[in-house]
Amino acid sequence: EAGVAQSPRYKIIEKRQSVAFWCNPISGHATLYWYQQILGQGPKLLIQFQNNGVVDDSQLPKDRFSAERLKGVDSTLKIQPAKLEDSAVYLCASSPWQARLQETQYFGPGTRLLVL
Amino acid sequence: AQTVTQSQPEMSVQEAETVTLSCTYDTSESDYYLFWYKQPPSRQMILVIRQEAYKQQNATENRFSVNFQKAAKSFSLKISDSQLGDAAMYFCAYNGGGADGLTFGKGTHLIIQP
Repeated sequence: EAGVAQSPRYKIIEKRQSVAFWCNPISGHATLYWYQQILGQGPKLLIQFQNNGVVDDSQLPKDRFSAERLKGVDSTLKIQPAKLEDSAVYLCASSPWQARLQETQYFGPGTRLLVL
Repeated sequence: AQTVTQSQPEMSVQEAETVTLSCTYDTSESDYYLFWYKQPPSRQMILVIRQEAYKQQNATENRFSVNFQKAAKSFSLKISDSQLGDAAMYFCAYNGGGADGLTFGKGTHLIIQP
């Protein structure tokens, strides 16, 4: 079974530029998560999708971050414009969905973003 | 809001020895799930072990086991017979159930000395 795929693996941009990250979850997984992991910290949830609908985006900085999951499969996370503090690893995770049961989340390798 | 605290930024253990990583959490819920994830230098986060709060029996997975103290809101990870491949960042994580996102601690860097 193929795991969660993410691209690119690394990205370096200047502040105020825009950047996009792509995630392909495990086949059949209905739930998709984007996490931000700043160096030295644990991952922080940015947004959660159930199929193609947003379940939780309370910690997403909506003035600069956006995400979509068209057709309920792949997802794209965009930052526009980027700030220095956005330098982090962006992790995508997916899980099957079953009501009232916490399914294990499977993580991708992450995209390491450096904003100069 | 739920919080997860890992008070040990770094731990070191000799190969083949046993090490325990600490985790405490704060929640007002009675049903929830706790996880330990391992993140090697390649950055792929891998599930080590999970515990359902309604289960009194501590979870075990081969050399990995937990000590779950619900009243104390403590969830420690014990690694027996430590191996070089166990070297990584270890994150404790909490989930309140359903398909919600995880709340992570800051992690513990585990060093295995040969």
